[in-house]
Order: sequence, then structure tokens, then C-alpha cells
Amino acid sequence: GESVGLHLPTLSVQEGDNSIINCAYSNSASDYFIWYKQESGKGPQFIIDIRSNMDKRQGQRVTVLLNKTVKHLSLQIAATQPGDSAVYFCAENRGGAQKLVFGQGTRLTINP
Amino acid sequence: DARVTQTPRDKVTEMGQEVTMRCQPILGHNTVFWYRQTMMQGLELLAYFRNRAPLDDSGMPKDRFSAEMPDATLATLKIQPSEPRDSAVYFCASGPSGGSGSYTQYFGPGTRLTVL
Repeated sequence: GESVGLHLPTLSVQEGDNSIINCAYSNSASDYFIWYKQESGKGPQFIIDIRSNMDKRQGQRVTVLLNKTVKHLSLQIAATQPGDSAVYFCAENRGGAQKLVFGQGTRLTINP
Repeated sequence: DARVTQTPRDKVTEMGQEVTMRCQPILGHNTVFWYRQTMMQGLELLAYFRNRAPLDDSGMPKDRFSAEMPDATLATLKIQPSEPRDSAVYFCASGPSGGSGSYTQYFGPGTRLTVL
């Protein structure tokens, strides 16, 4: 039958475990990438960004990895907590314009 | 703690009515974006401004939507007349000029619009 609404990829992890959220992009001209976290009823919240001249960047409990060869971006969250439950979006900036192109999002659920 | 603010947070209206949503960008940010988020389409860019000038509104239905920045501290998104299919959460985001190579956008809490 016809699908209604976006079917977000979902990821469930146990509290305290590490999680990895993946994102593929298609435009090799993209030079800047961002991860956002969106909790229910709130706006997307900036987590971490990375420029295309880097392949790794770390923040507090989060690490972003960029593989330009295969156009792949990942967000690693260490020692997940219940507050990490949210939808995570990757976004890319394509070469100088200030617009961001957002992915569809991944829903992360932390199980107690 | 600088934040983007949006009003109203929730709006319920009847089909055919005019709706105006307001956004106050973070002080010093010179780019402002309007997005619409629905279950069907995800996060869609409607329009964006730099230094109060519209740069791209190709994502916006031109016949009923309009976006303006009367001054640097206020952005508005207006729908006239509203239709049930306009029901969505509308987000405003602001960002710095990008000259430093950062294109980060900071989002407001959104306006949840329901058109009956």
C-alpha cells in the first residue's frame, strides 16, 4: 500500500552504550556539514560541525567522522543517556551558499 | 544566552484566515531562514534573507505566502489565505554571515500552525 509520512530510520541503544548515526550525502561540492538534534516539540539544536578539510572532530561525548571518498558522515555519541533520545539530522552546505540541505533524520531511542 | 525567538508558539485558525508568524533572530546574525516541517516532507526551506534582503524564496508558495524583514530584529512569515495543507511547524533560524566559513544556523522553538 501507499506509505504515508516519512519513515525515519530508527536506532535503539541501551543506556550507557555508544551509538553511531550515519548519513550519506551525494554532492561532492559540499564543504561543510552539521549535525542537529531535535527533541520532541523543539527546534533543531546544533550539536557539532565539520569542514571538508577535516575527517574527524570531537566535542563533548560526540565525535563526527567525515569520509569524503564515499561521501559518508557519522555521528558517534559516547555513553548514551536518556536525554540523547531525539531525531538527529545531518545537513550539508554546498559550496559557499549559506543554505543547508537537511537529511531525513534518524530517530535515536535510548533504552533504560 | 542568545536565542532565536518565535511567536506565537501555537496558532489554530480557520481556513481562509490570515496568519502572521514572527521571528527575532539572534542579535548580530545577518542571515535569517524560514523552514516548514511536516511528517510528509520533513524540513523544507521556504525562504532566506541576508542583511534583510530576500535571497531565495523558491521554496515558498508565492500566491499565498510572503516573507519580510521590516528591520534587523524582526522577520515575518505571512499566509493569506491559509489552507488546511499549511498545517505544520514553522521554524525560523538565524546565522552569522558565513565569512568565517561557518554556516551554522540556530533554530527557534517553532510555531505550530493548525488550519481547520
